[in-house]
Amino acid sequence: DAGVIQSPRHEVTEMGQEVTLRCKPISGHNSLFWYRQTMMRGLELLIYFNNNVPIDDSGMPEDRFSAKMPNASFSTLKIQPSEPRDSAVYFCASTGAGLESTDTQYFGPGTRLTVL
Amino acid sequence: AQSVTQLGSHVSVSEGALVLLRCNYSSSVPPYLFWYVQYPNQGLQLLLKYTSAATLVKGINGFEAEFKKSETSFHLTKPSAHMSDAAEYFCAVSEGYSTLTFGKGTMLLVSP
Repeated sequence: DAGVIQSPRHEVTEMGQEVTLRCKPISGHNSLFWYRQTMMRGLELLIYFNNNVPIDDSGMPEDRFSAKMPNASFSTLKIQPSEPRDSAVYFCASTGAGLESTDTQYFGPGTRLTVL
Repeated sequence: AQSVTQLGSHVSVSEGALVLLRCNYSSSVPPYLFWYVQYPNQGLQLLLKYTSAATLVKGINGFEAEFKKSETSFHLTKPSAHMSDAAEYFCAVSEGYSTLTFGKGTMLLVSP
């Protein structure tokens, strides 16, 4: 069974450009999480969805960041315009059933973003 | 609000030695606690989780952790380190709705 799929695995772009990161959760999972990992701040939750609906986006750093989940099998995280400080590894994770405290989150391999 | 403190950003052990990675949590409600492992250039993978059943939790790859409420701790141990255990380990706490608060991580280095 395929795990969480993220694309691209690596992205290098120039400051000011739009960046779109993609995620396909595990089939049947209906909760999806976007994280950012940096050396300075560690793992930060940006936003999460349940049944395609954004539940909490309080971790999204700025209006330059936006996320969508148009259907149960696809989500995007967009940065427009990108800045060098957005350089990080972005992870997507999914869980099954509802938003239970004991759910195991299954992580994708991440997208390493470098903004020059 | 919950928080997690992992003592030591790096821990070095010899192959065959005991592994002990420390995690202390702060939570206003009974917590659910997790340990995840991250191998280089990969996503996080669940090692084990505490969900208020047994306080001693066994996970994959020979790891286990003990929940100690009085010490607000959830330390990760393995009796004998293997070279393949070299990775970064994250402790996390959940208070509800699947959201996790992660610690800063501890890099485990294993020398032959």
